Amino acid sequence: KAGVTQTPRYLIKTRGQQVTLSCSPISGHRSVSWYQQTPGQGLQFLFEYFSETQRNKGNFPGRFSGRQFSNSRSEMNVSTLELGDSALYLCASSLEGRLETQYFGPGTRLLVL
Amino acid sequence: AQTVTQSQPEMSVQEAETVTLSCTYDTSESDYYLFWYKQPPSRQMILVIRQEAYKQQNATENRFSVNFQKAAKSFSLKISDSQLGDAAMYFCAYRSPLSGNTGKLIFGQGTTLQVKP
Repeated sequence: KAGVTQTPRYLIKTRGQQVTLSCSPISGHRSVSWYQQTPGQGLQFLFEYFSETQRNKGNFPGRFSGRQFSNSRSEMNVSTLELGDSALYLCASSLEGRLETQYFGPGTRLLVL
Repeated sequence: AQTVTQSQPEMSVQEAETVTLSCTYDTSESDYYLFWYKQPPSRQMILVIRQEAYKQQNATENRFSVNFQKAAKSFSLKISDSQLGDAAMYFCAYRSPLSGNTGKLIFGQGTTLQVKP
């Protein structure tokens, strides 16, 4: 089975722009979670989607949003980028998003200039 | 709210030796799940081992084993016969079974493990 894939792998943007990141879960997995990883804050939960619905959300401003499609693929969007949004964005998938193990993608590294 | 603490920012071990990484957590829940993930320089997060809190038996996975002390809220990872490929950052993570916490892992700050040849 193919693993979790994320595109693009690297991205450079400037302040004020917006960005969309994509995540394709493992086949059959319906839950997709997003995390932000920075040297200062570590790994922080952004949100989780299941059956095209946002089911859980972390403490991030409204500039961070996401969606999930009927094939379970998910996108996250960050609008009005700030320098502090520079981070590795990780996506993880699991079967139902409850107690099963989450499997991570390789991440998208975003640099905001 | 649950928290996870890894008090060792960096550890080093000689190849073929054994090393133990520490993790403590704080929770008021009686049932939960704990994980160790490994993040090598490639940044791909890889599951190392998983422990269900209701199980008294410590989980093992080949050279990796845990010492789960529920009363002390401690969850350490032991790596035996360390190999150069074990060099990575290791994260301890907590998962709540409550419905309001779906899809959410709470991570510690990580421990960077160096393996010396």
